[in-house]
Amino acid sequence: DAGVTQSPTHLIKTRGQQVTLRCSPKSGHDTVSWYQQALGQGPQFIFQYYEEEERQRGNFPDRFSGHQFPNYSSELNVNALLLGDSALYLCASSLGAGTAYNEQFFGPGTRLTVL
Amino acid sequence: EDQVTQSPEALRLQEGESSSLNCSYTVSGLRGLFWYRQDPGKGPEFLFTLYSAGEEKEKERLKATLTKKESFLHITAPKPEDSATYLCAVAGGGADGLTFGKGTHLIIQP
Repeated sequence: DAGVTQSPTHLIKTRGQQVTLRCSPKSGHDTVSWYQQALGQGPQFIFQYYEEEERQRGNFPDRFSGHQFPNYSSELNVNALLLGDSALYLCASSLGAGTAYNEQFFGPGTRLTVL
Repeated sequence: EDQVTQSPEALRLQEGESSSLNCSYTVSGLRGLFWYRQDPGKGPEFLFTLYSAGEEKEKERLKATLTKKESFLHITAPKPEDSATYLCAVAGGGADGLTFGKGTHLIIQP
């Protein structure tokens, strides 16, 4: 049973560029959440996608956008990259969205470095 | 706003020396408290979910407990392979995302 997969593993970009990160959820899961983890910090919630729509968003600017496809996979796009966007970007998948809170399972992450 | 504070920030133990990690939280309407293990450069690995005060869960050398204000992760007779950062997170009422603490960096020396 494949777990959550993310691509690419590592990425180096320069300030002002745009980047797209990809995530495939665990088999049977339909909800994808994205997190940013700076070095030495806990992950911070960016947003969650369910039924191809953004359900909720954390404290991140509009430069961060996403998409969910009919097969439940997801993309995270970041425009106009800043040095401070350098971090480990984590995708987490879970089953369903709503009042019952199901466990989120994380992928290995994409390490983004902005120069 | 949901908040999670973990202590200590770092902990160094000898192999076999039992201890506890603390997670204090404030949340409006707890929907779940989660413990994860994270190895360097990797994604968090799910360990436990606790839903209500008084609940306990065990897995090998780890035991998680929950009160109305905090959770403890007890580690019994740890081994070097238990070395990792342990993250605590909460899901509050109306929140889709998890709120994480900064983690406890645990080192088990042989």
